[in-house]
Amino acid sequence: NAGVTQTPKFRILKIGQSMTLQCTQDMNHNYMYWYRQDPGMGLKLIYYSVGAGITDKGEVPNGYNVSRSTTEDFPLRLELAAPSQTSVYFCASRTQGVNYGYTFGSGTRLTVV
Amino acid sequence: AQKVTQAQTEISVVEKEDVTLDCVYETRDTTYYLFWYKQPPSGELVFLIRRNSFDEQNEISGRYSWNFQKSTSSFNFTITASQVVDSAVYFCALSGGGNNRKLIWGLGTSLAVNP
Repeated sequence: NAGVTQTPKFRILKIGQSMTLQCTQDMNHNYMYWYRQDPGMGLKLIYYSVGAGITDKGEVPNGYNVSRSTTEDFPLRLELAAPSQTSVYFCASRTQGVNYGYTFGSGTRLTVV
Repeated sequence: AQKVTQAQTEISVVEKEDVTLDCVYETRDTTYYLFWYKQPPSGELVFLIRRNSFDEQNEISGRYSWNFQKSTSSFNFTITASQVVDSAVYFCALSGGGNNRKLIWGLGTSLAVNP
């Protein structure tokens, strides 16, 4: 059981380049999330999904896009990378019900230069 | 609006000292959930505890304990007899009872336990 897998772990982008951060979970969770963590800060929600085909914006969606064509995959697309997008990106999924729990990926450290 | 405040930015203690990390939250939801996560220097997020708003019982897990007080909107975390391995950034987080249950995070408290 791999949990939540994020790739790549590290990436350096040049300003204006684009890339996709991959996130896959094998727990059949409907709910998935993308957060970013800036240095010395807590996490902020970029986008989330409550199931395949359904996505919604979080607190800081500008400059990003997501898709959810399957339950397992929730890729995050960066278009026209900017230095302000230098951050660590965490993907997460969660179970349902009262006693729910999140599973986080190990993170992707992105630097835009 | 929901908000989580961790007033302590950095704490430094000597090994074996007890240390309490404070967390104050704001929410208008009647049902909500509070979390603590540990982020060691390696960067991953380690789940420590989830507490439901309708369960005010304090909890102890080994050297870790949590004090949940709805009257003061606080969910404080105490490490007893701290160890060097406890050095990390600790985050308190809040989610509402709605469908998406997105997490609102505090800024974290960086704990350094010195030998």
